Amino acid sequence: QVQLVQSGTEVKKPGASVKVSCKTSGYTFSRYGISWVRQAPGHGLEWMGWISPYNGNRDYAQRFQGRVTMTTDTSTNTAYMEVKSLTFDDTAIYYCVRDALGGTVTFDFWGQGTLVSVSS
Amino acid sequence: DIQMTQSPSSLSASVGDRVTITCRASQTISRHLNWLQQKPGKAPNLLIYATSSLQSGVPSRFSGSGSETDFNFTISGLQPDDFATYYCQQSYKTPRTFGQGTRVEIK
Repeated sequence: QVQLVQSGTEVKKPGASVKVSCKTSGYTFSRYGISWVRQAPGHGLEWMGWISPYNGNRDYAQRFQGRVTMTTDTSTNTAYMEVKSLTFDDTAIYYCVRDALGGTVTFDFWGQGTLVSVSS
Repeated sequence: DIQMTQSPSSLSASVGDRVTITCRASQTISRHLNWLQQKPGKAPNLLIYATSSLQSGVPSRFSGSGSETDFNFTISGLQPDDFATYYCQQSYKTPRTFGQGTRVEIK
C-alpha cells in the first residue's frame, strides 16, 4: 500500500533552518511528483511547492522562492524540504503529498505531517 | 494565482441532514477540483477528485458536481464520522490553491 512517512517534530530558533523528510513506499517513486503543504495552528492549508523525482523539476510558490529547497533521493524513494531563515510565522505542520502534476488524481496520499515549532 | 472561495466557513447540522458546500474559482479550472476532509490532529484525506469522482474507499454519501468556476460538495445523510473540516482545492495549475475550509459541526 502507498505510504508517505515523515520525519519527527522539530524545534528551532528563529533564523535557523529545518529539513523535513518524506519517505515513500508502495508505488513507483519517479512516476509521481511530491507537493509540500503547510498548516499553521488554527489555519487552513497552504501549498509551498512541488518537485518531480523523475527529472528534478521544481515549482515553488512565489512567497517561498529563495527560502525553500525541495530535493529527492531516488535511491531511497525519499523527498526532502528545507526551509531557511525560520521565523515565528513558520510554526506549522508540514505535509508531503503525492501530486501527479497534470494527472487526473492528485493529492491522493499524504504524509502524517511534521510539526515545526519556531521558538526562542 | 487562482483564488478559491469556499462557503460557508462553518455550519451546524444534525445526523441525517443533507449538507452542501460551495466553492468558486477566480478563473476557469475546468473540472480540476478536489475535495478534502480533515479531522483534528490528522492529515487531510482526499474524498473527491476531478470534481465528481469518488476516491477509493470513500462512502457514496459524498458527492461533487460543477465545472469551470462553480462547484458543489454534498453529504447526503450526515453521519457522526463526518463532523470535520472540508477543503476544496484546485489541481488545474500551480500554485495549487485551497479554499478557506468549511467546519461542519454537530447541531
